[in-house]
Amino acid sequence: QVQLVQSGAEVKKPGASVKVSCKASGYTFSDYYIHWVRQAPGQGLEWMGIINSSGGSTSHAQKFQGRITMTRDTSTSTVYMELSSLRSEDTAVYYCARDMVRSVVGRGDTFDYWGQGTLVTVSS
Amino acid sequence: DIQMTQSPSSLSASVGDRVTITCRASQSISGYLNWYQQKPGKAPKLLIYGASTLQSGVPSRFSGSGSGTDFTLTISNLHPEDFATYYCQQTYNAPPLTFGGGTQVEI
Repeated sequence: QVQLVQSGAEVKKPGASVKVSCKASGYTFSDYYIHWVRQAPGQGLEWMGIINSSGGSTSHAQKFQGRITMTRDTSTSTVYMELSSLRSEDTAVYYCARDMVRSVVGRGDTFDYWGQGTLVTVSS
Repeated sequence: DIQMTQSPSSLSASVGDRVTITCRASQSISGYLNWYQQKPGKAPKLLIYGASTLQSGVPSRFSGSGSGTDFTLTISNLHPEDFATYYCQQTYNAPPLTFGGGTQVEI
């Protein structure tokens, strides 16, 4: 069965960086894009970006320009999202989610499987 | 960016009720609209994609309709496990993909 397992909770100081991992299993890793979505406490969902698990190309929301880096390791079927220059407003649960369309077909931008979420707390 | 507006932001309902949630896009998005359900402390779950296609395994009491700028999610016979927050999401234009603010369905 398809599973996305994320790394554990993190506590960071303002100005630091955080790197969250998302390990995929149960399907051919390189066949599907992975997205990152975050949710601040008590708030709605916010799309951050997407990575092509095969070629490694990325796209992200303008809001995170200069602060977000998404990478993948095909040998371990793991995707990483690093967010730098953290501020208190970045406190949120960060989710990875699989695109439901096979990448050879294109992007569906629809999320059919999600990780369990990683709480990142930014506090001095 | 395409803005997605859901209404109401919350509603109270009872088991067995028919519930309708509305999502409006700031510009036409054709049928590129998804619905997700989220329970407290859990990741969202895909319910409907392409405005009206039920995701595999989702009960048929859930249905979606609409095109252009106005969309609805209907739960025809509310079950206890349906009490959750529901989000719409547009896939017409990215980046960025955008979500509605959510609708909390409570007892």
